Amino acid sequence: AQKITQTQPGMFVQEKEAVTLDCTYDTSDPSYGLFWYKQPSSGEMIFLIYQGSYDQQNATEGRYSLNFQKARKSANLVISASQLGDSAMYFCAMREGRGWESKLTFGTGTRLQVTL
Amino acid sequence: GAVVSQHPSWVICKSGTSVKIECRSLDFQATTMFWYRQFPKQSLMLMATSNEGSKATYEQGVEKDKFLINHASLTLSTLTVTSAHPEDSSFYICSANTGLGDNEQFFGPGTRLTVL
Repeated sequence: AQKITQTQPGMFVQEKEAVTLDCTYDTSDPSYGLFWYKQPSSGEMIFLIYQGSYDQQNATEGRYSLNFQKARKSANLVISASQLGDSAMYFCAMREGRGWESKLTFGTGTRLQVTL
Repeated sequence: GAVVSQHPSWVICKSGTSVKIECRSLDFQATTMFWYRQFPKQSLMLMATSNEGSKATYEQGVEKDKFLINHASLTLSTLTVTSAHPEDSSFYICSANTGLGDNEQFFGPGTRLTVL
């Protein structure tokens, strides 16, 4: 079974609108972390936001927020007030266990295109 | 945030030759680094976990004799693609964590390898 599932291969959003990128995960480990990364065409991986499995509140970082629904095992990324520079690939990833040295497992990604 | 560099950023080589890619943590020490491979329009796939002073841990299906990893110091890990073939052409990305309680894994800018 896929550990991280991103069902939207591509999404369009109009500038200044909000968009939600879906991510569901599968793990039996009670301790895990969920990440979102942005990858522009240059290839670098840009960290956006992190949610720990024990965090009570949804994570927020500027225009990014993570809609964490633990019972449904979903960790959707919400980008508010989209900008043209937000056009990129977005990857959801999970780290299982507490160790910071634990590896990340990535989803297949969602390509976001912001239009005028 | 912490900075991870990779060198070279891109390389073109002939089939049968070996290529070395360096991953450096510039402003922190990393006992563990990770090597990922990303084929065009696909996700990041973990190849191996590089541990300072010990042998790397390879993911299933990754040939350890073909992808040699050496983590000789706390700031440098190298990936050598031996006897490269066109199917090894890919984007190789390394990452590291500061081990200081950060949740974020810091990624290098990636190395694009093209084997002719």
